[in-house]
Amino acid sequence: GAVVSQHPSRVICKSGTSVKIECRSLDFQATTMFWYRQFPKQSLMLMATSNEGSKATYEQGVEKDKFLINHASLTLSTLTVTSAHPEDSSFYICSARAQRGLRFGYTFGSGTRLTVV
Amino acid sequence: TQLLEQSPQFLSIQEGENLTVYCNSSSVFSSLQWYRQEPGEGPVLLVTVVTGGEVKKLKRLTFQFGDARKDSSLHITAAQPGDTGLYLCAGAGGATNKLIFGTGTLLAVQP
Repeated sequence: GAVVSQHPSRVICKSGTSVKIECRSLDFQATTMFWYRQFPKQSLMLMATSNEGSKATYEQGVEKDKFLINHASLTLSTLTVTSAHPEDSSFYICSARAQRGLRFGYTFGSGTRLTVV
Repeated sequence: TQLLEQSPQFLSIQEGENLTVYCNSSSVFSSLQWYRQEPGEGPVLLVTVVTGGEVKKLKRLTFQFGDARKDSSLHITAAQPGDTGLYLCAGAGGATNKLIFGTGTLLAVQP
């Protein structure tokens, strides 16, 4: 089945530094990937839609200059949290979309726990 | 903005009890999915429903998609402690088919 690998699983960084999170589709090509953010005991909030070879589409309220998304190939999308602050601490999850027949299937990574100290 | 409201938000029950989780929206979705998520992990797909009025069963779980494709329900029969987790509905639609998640239902099944 479709597998999405997300790295790192956990990261601790100092306030003011940048952190890059990678999301790879291992056995399929994903023209579209999604990035979500999740706070404890809450649901997943869509941050942005990442399209291969073009600029990401950000949801309302998400700062595109703070959360840089790059989707340079059909199997890799990256999210960089720039100048991280403690309020950016959260669980970040990526999802890759693949066409399955007439429908789309969504495969999720295992998430990245970001702690900014 | 598409919104998916789930109820209840929290649910704590005893092993063996039945429960129903609801997912409601004012928007129509081309498909609706249910996921279960454990702490520190990504969500795991349980089922996808695509046809209005559709009912799907997965062992003790029964999923229903509303006739108008705006709402869905998840019914668990004889809940077990292993069912504990965060249950999320998610709707796909619009030009980009982005997946929007519901507000979530945190279920705790006590032994």
